[in-house]
Amino acid sequence: QQPVQSPQAVILREGEDAVINCSSSKALYSVHWYRQKHGEAPVFLMILLKGGEQKGHEKISASFNEKKQQSSLYLTASQLSYSGTYFCGSDGSGNTGKLIFGQGTTLQVKP
Amino acid sequence: DTGVSQDPRHKITKRGQNVTFRCDPISEHNRLYWYRQTLGQGPEFLTYFQNEAQLEKSRLLSDRFSAERPKGSFSTLEIQRTEQGDSAMYLCASSVGTSAPGQYFGPGTRLTVT
Repeated sequence: QQPVQSPQAVILREGEDAVINCSSSKALYSVHWYRQKHGEAPVFLMILLKGGEQKGHEKISASFNEKKQQSSLYLTASQLSYSGTYFCGSDGSGNTGKLIFGQGTTLQVKP
Repeated sequence: DTGVSQDPRHKITKRGQNVTFRCDPISEHNRLYWYRQTLGQGPEFLTYFQNEAQLEKSRLLSDRFSAERPKGSFSTLEIQRTEQGDSAMYLCASSVGTSAPGQYFGPGTRLTVT
């Protein structure tokens, strides 16, 4: 089952904060977050593992609620370079690395 | 670390023709994944390898699609008798082991079937 992301789109001013949510109907082993800029490949941001281990990137952090099967990505003091489409990828297959991606959240940061 | 590379970057083919794409993963990465992405959607899992073994293939994937990874290095994805619905970006990703430290994607091959 494809995870559901919300919101679908966000427009921010530089310096503002944003939260992107990812929900799954299946039990999750891990959640991966990626950012994709137009015409480019997705770039790995971070992974959240069952049990609470987290790896971060830049001024971006994330949480993983295993009971609710939800993850949230937090972008603080957004920069113009944060613009792009953010995807969460769920791995519910027991740490296979096979990811099922959400539909994406488009973030636009304006000066 | 030269990153994941894919060839060709663009491919235009006529319906019914066969096409083959190549992916060269990061050298020390033993896992290799193929995804397909259409406009406005997230990448869709196709298949993945650990070394030379193909561990899983998406049930949504037609028998016209085949992939291999001889010797556990580069991988090829072949589509036989292409259809217009095959038009998409085909992405390859590689990783060390499974979940850590994440999958690294190549630039993709954009396929257009006319």
